[in-house]
Amino acid sequence: QSVLTQAPSASGTPGQRVTISCSGSRSNIGNNYVYWYQQLPGTAPKLLIYSNNQRPSGVPDRFSGSKSGTSASLAISGLRSEDETDYYCATWDDSLSGPVFGGGTKLTVL
Amino acid sequence: QVQLQESGPGLVKPSETLSLTCTVSGDSISSSYWSWIRQPPGKALEWTGYISYSGNTNYHPSLKSRVTILAYTSTNQFSLKLTSVTAADTAVYYCARLNCVGDCHLDYWGPGTLVTVSS
Repeated sequence: QSVLTQAPSASGTPGQRVTISCSGSRSNIGNNYVYWYQQLPGTAPKLLIYSNNQRPSGVPDRFSGSKSGTSASLAISGLRSEDETDYYCATWDDSLSGPVFGGGTKLTVL
Repeated sequence: QVQLQESGPGLVKPSETLSLTCTVSGDSISSSYWSWIRQPPGKALEWTGYISYSGNTNYHPSLKSRVTILAYTSTNQFSLKLTSVTAADTAVYYCARLNCVGDCHLDYWGPGTLVTVSS
């Protein structure tokens, strides 16, 4: 059981905009920045969004993040076939004094 | 560019100790926080613990009695030891840098190493 809650799956067609949500509590998302990772099969997670809505260099602007209260969202616009993979949200948990993750959302591009 | 690489046995017997090492390049062990994260097959990421640049550690409560993370400044490595392993400890183990400039987050990750617990 992950500390942060994500829907296990999401889907969209090429060119569409999809949103992946992540919910937590005041001790984690409510008090801290949210991060999003993209994990391709058999590889390590790659940082996609940091500090709620910032993109590391090299990440396309099709990816965007937002946070409101104890929830956060990752939006992917102009969906492409290569976006089909797993996405994880993460943040710091003040009670744990450590990072916590969502259960992951598997994105399918139909 | 910060790079991390995990190394260690891929197979551990039940009740024995899992030992992994992470070799860091592009940054000094003495200047940041370093963490271990694991991912059971087909499941989500789980934080295991971290060690600070000053040697302080923090472990996930569910593993606290079995886990030890140490840092070796002379070789720029840090390690993970997990005792009394069971099949539930089978996972891909990742080492990562915990960047705590401002807010804490995992920015650089190793490629991961699969550890299977089986007799």
